[in-house]
Amino acid sequence: AQSVSQHNHHVILSEAASLELGCNYSYGGTVNLFWYVQYPGQHLQLLLKYFSGDPLVKGIKGFEAEFIKSKFSFNLRKPSVQWSDTAEYFCAVTPTSGTYKYIFGTGTRLKVLA
Amino acid sequence: DTAVSQTPKYLVTQMGNDKSIKCEQNLGHDTMYWYKQDSKKFLKIMFSYNNKELIINETVPNRFSPKSPDKAHLNLHINSLELGDSAVYFCASSSQSREQFFGPGTRLTVL
Repeated sequence: AQSVSQHNHHVILSEAASLELGCNYSYGGTVNLFWYVQYPGQHLQLLLKYFSGDPLVKGIKGFEAEFIKSKFSFNLRKPSVQWSDTAEYFCAVTPTSGTYKYIFGTGTRLKVLA
Repeated sequence: DTAVSQTPKYLVTQMGNDKSIKCEQNLGHDTMYWYKQDSKKFLKIMFSYNNKELIINETVPNRFSPKSPDKAHLNLHINSLELGDSAVYFCASSSQSREQFFGPGTRLTVL
């Protein structure tokens, strides 16, 4: 069965600290990968996506993620977090063909202390 | 311009009532979804429609019935509401397996 694991459920960092959130997926075929962010009281917004090509993708607000196919991982990184990055972060995958069912991880709650 | 819109934003109702949530997207996408997000922020897919055809129907009680009158609309009707239905419901749309765009959510509270 397809699944997405986000290992860090709660992360607390001070401003300017570096961030890395883990995401691993389980699926036998080709997938598209995404990171979404949900600020308090808001809806999910796309941070970045990977379809093909360069496995290091850059998104909005200084975020980047690296797809490592051999490890089935798509970790999210940011060199220096800001208080405004406090939010819930979701990793998601979907097969590139078929029913376009998106599988979301359980989310990581990031709190950045000013 | 709002890409994915939902109405209402808040819905407070009594147990046993029937309610509907509407969703519209103006992105020209062919696939629309309903998700339920519980208090722990866990996002669970409920339904998906592709070109008005139901393609994903997860383990959801029969009290939940989606309806897609056209590609741009996907509504969710809930019969006999229960306390456990309290959650935030998000509508989303996408073009095949590309990124999803989410609506602002409908916070449903069942008393």
